[in-house]
Amino acid sequence: DGGITQSPKYLFRKEGQNVTLSCEQNLNHDAMYWYRQDPGQGLRLIYYSQIVNDFQKGDIAEGYSVSREKKESFPLTVTSAQKNPTAFYLCASSIDGNRRANTIYFGEGSWLTVV
Amino acid sequence: GESVGLHLPTLSVQEGDNSIINCAYSNSASDYFIWYKQESGKGPQFIIDIRSNMDKRQGQRVTVLLNKTVKHLSLQIAATQPGDSAVYFCAENLHLTGNQFYFGTGTSLTVIP
Repeated sequence: DGGITQSPKYLFRKEGQNVTLSCEQNLNHDAMYWYRQDPGQGLRLIYYSQIVNDFQKGDIAEGYSVSREKKESFPLTVTSAQKNPTAFYLCASSIDGNRRANTIYFGEGSWLTVV
Repeated sequence: GESVGLHLPTLSVQEGDNSIINCAYSNSASDYFIWYKQESGKGPQFIIDIRSNMDKRQGQRVTVLLNKTVKHLSLQIAATQPGDSAVYFCAENLHLTGNQFYFGTGTSLTVIP
């Protein structure tokens, strides 16, 4: 089936640790995104990538890092510099991120909790 | 309707009734809008979209209305079913920003059997 796969679904991080959230898509989409969702707030953009080997900071990039070495993969690392990482993280993709707006499709999300 | 804050607006409807969920968007230059449905603990699902050159678009049991004059978007769900219970939120795309969207906080819909 075509879609966006995020893993793990649940992840616990100790203070001072870096953790990486995986996102894979088999939709042949050029653009991929990472959003953060907190209770009572709209989705906030962390990073996005319009094409392989290129990515841009979103509104809340501090404390996060990404890579885009393959078209289908866009992993997100939550570093120890992110002071409030507990949240629901959503990966998304769209056919093209560069021209006229088109639909963004989401994965099932990953819950990250700091312990 | 949607708003920024810690508490989601809520809407309760009887099974079989029609539901109307509202969204006030922020930028008059936005030209593409999407409605999403999000069930608890899951990722958002695309429901329906509309571009600014239209004022109405229909899907299966859903209709989106766009009023650009007052920057208002609504989602109508016909014959609401228990499986429609979820959080619904709108997303707007500002013309010429590529594919960057701004998301509303959502409205929690509860369908009473």
